[in-house]
Amino acid sequence: KAGVTQTPRYLIKTRGQQVTLSCSPISGHRSVSWYQQTPGQGLQFLFEYFSETQRNKGNFPGRFSGRQFSNSRSEMNVSTLELGDSALYLCASSLSTAAGSYTFGSGTRLTVV
Amino acid sequence: DAKTTQPNSMESNEEEPVHLPCNHSTISGTDYIHWYRQLPSQGPEYVIHGLTSNVNNRMASLAIAEDRKSSTLILHRATLRDAAVYYCILANFGNEKLTFGTGTRLTIIP
Repeated sequence: KAGVTQTPRYLIKTRGQQVTLSCSPISGHRSVSWYQQTPGQGLQFLFEYFSETQRNKGNFPGRFSGRQFSNSRSEMNVSTLELGDSALYLCASSLSTAAGSYTFGSGTRLTVV
Repeated sequence: DAKTTQPNSMESNEEEPVHLPCNHSTISGTDYIHWYRQLPSQGPEYVIHGLTSNVNNRMASLAIAEDRKSSTLILHRATLRDAAVYYCILANFGNEKLTFGTGTRLTIIP
């Protein structure tokens, strides 16, 4: 079966701009989570959506937002980009709960200049 | 969030078994123990998870201590492709997120 698809793979943006990243989960998976990975902070949880509802949110400023569509596809948006937002953004999908496994995409590498 | 403690790095010889330890002394009754690994330039890859009993799959085995305060990921016969950062994570039913620590960087010696 197809894995988790994230687009685009690479992105370069300028400070102050906004960016939208996309994630298509595995067919049938209703939970989509987003993570930020940086060399300094490691992997950090951003938020999780299930059936179009945000169920959990990490400790990130309001500039980071997301949404999930009825087909379970998800987008995350970062507004007013800062240099520190440069990171690998990873999306993970699962059937529904922590009792199951999560499948990660290959990520979107965002560089803010 | 309950935390896990892992060694920063480990080395193992190719074709030998590898035992990766993880301590999670503050684990709650509803925490699942998950293991993921991450190869360079890739997203984390699911390895195995369990609640109370030992688990086996095609990739590895998970041995969970009786008091659940520690666990061990066992790779039965390491190959060069197993070189990665291995993360031990507690995931709570109802709190759907993975809290990653710094993981163990596993080096396989040919």
